[in-house]
Amino acid sequence: AQSVSQHNHHVILSEAASLELGCNYSYGGTVNLFWYVQYPGQHLQLLLKYFSGDPLVKGIKGFEAEFIKSKFSFNLRKPSVQWSDTAEYFCAVNGWGGGADGLTFGKGTHLIIQP
Amino acid sequence: DSGVTQTPKHLITATGQRVTLRCSPRSGDLSVYWYQQSLDQGLQFLIQYYNGEERAKGNILERFSAQQFPDLHSELNLSSLELGDSALYFCASSPRTSDRNEQFFGPGTRLTVL
Repeated sequence: AQSVSQHNHHVILSEAASLELGCNYSYGGTVNLFWYVQYPGQHLQLLLKYFSGDPLVKGIKGFEAEFIKSKFSFNLRKPSVQWSDTAEYFCAVNGWGGGADGLTFGKGTHLIIQP
Repeated sequence: DSGVTQTPKHLITATGQRVTLRCSPRSGDLSVYWYQQSLDQGLQFLIQYYNGEERAKGNILERFSAQQFPDLHSELNLSSLELGDSALYFCASSPRTSDRNEQFFGPGTRLTVL
């Protein structure tokens, strides 16, 4: 069974600070990897995704993530955060093939950006 | 706006009751997924339908069931409700079921069981 672990449950940063949120997954095969963001009172929005190819992927709003296969990691980064980045961030994975397309999510990281 | 719609936005009911949540996928999307988000369990995949057929099951209770209709909208039926079923229920859709699966989420239905 696949699982996702997000190391930081709560992160507080000041505006303009750099951000890195950790995500590790457990799965025996090839995976698709995602980061979703949930702003207060809103639905989940896709920040970025990795299917294959260049392990450094760029998403919306200046976010990027790096897939490191040897470490089973897919950490999310942003060089300079803004107050509007305050939200819940979820790492998710699903496996290639097998027919089960449901996403397995981590517990989420609650990010608070202080002005 | 993802293009996925869910009704109702909020639902308050009592233990033992049955409710139906509705989801309309993005235009052209064939796959519909249901997820439950609760404080203790986080976001959990419940079930997936593809073009009217059940495709994958996750952590869905036997008291819960779903279906996808010919017009591709989907309904999630929750019966014999318990306090612990209070949660946010999300629907997501994707164009097809494949190895490269990007899902688009709806706004959710917040269910409160009293």
